[in-house]
Amino acid sequence: ELKVEQNPLFLSMQEGKNYTIYCNYSTTSDRLYWYRQDPGKSLESLFVLLSNGAVKQEGRLMASLDTKARLSTLHITAAVHDLSATYFCAASSYGGATNKLIFGTGTLLAVQP
Amino acid sequence: DAGVTQSPTHLIKTRGQQVTLRCSPISGHKSVSWYQQVLGQGPQFIFQYYEKEERGRGNFPDRFSARQFPNYSSELNVNALLLGDSALYLCASSLGGVAGANVLTFGAGSRLTVL
Repeated sequence: ELKVEQNPLFLSMQEGKNYTIYCNYSTTSDRLYWYRQDPGKSLESLFVLLSNGAVKQEGRLMASLDTKARLSTLHITAAVHDLSATYFCAASSYGGATNKLIFGTGTLLAVQP
Repeated sequence: DAGVTQSPTHLIKTRGQQVTLRCSPISGHKSVSWYQQVLGQGPQFIFQYYEKEERGRGNFPDRFSARQFPNYSSELNVNALLLGDSALYLCASSLGGVAGANVLTFGAGSRLTVL
């Protein structure tokens, strides 16, 4: 059974600093998603990573995927307050005809001025 | 282009009542999935439907049911509501089919409060 673990669960960082959120998954998965969620809101898709070694960047966020290590990272560069949110990773689980996402517990990011 | 639309956005029910949540997928998307997100947790898979057929079901009791209509919209029904059913219910649509055309797009969600 596919399981997804994120760490840290909570991250308080100062503006201008760099940090990385880690996402480990337990069994083979063909794609890895990163989502952002603001309080009381839905999920905003950030990245979809499809293959080993995939790297995607958008603004101050960069995501990568290592399928051999079953590890994805979300790197934050020079954080700004607007990045404060909860970040989720999710891995695809295929079972027969079913496609479902297994989510991590989320990382609550608080960027302090 | 309209995204995934869900209704209602917020609703309050009492224990024992029944609720129906609705979802319209992105035009051209044939697969709809439902997720439950309890406060402070990640979303959990409830159902997936493709071409009106159930393709998967998560670890939820039989009080939860769903269906998909010929226009690919979907309803999620929850009977005999419990306090623990209070959550944000998310609908996601995708193209569906084989070969993994399954990048999910989520709707804004329906926030259910059970008193």
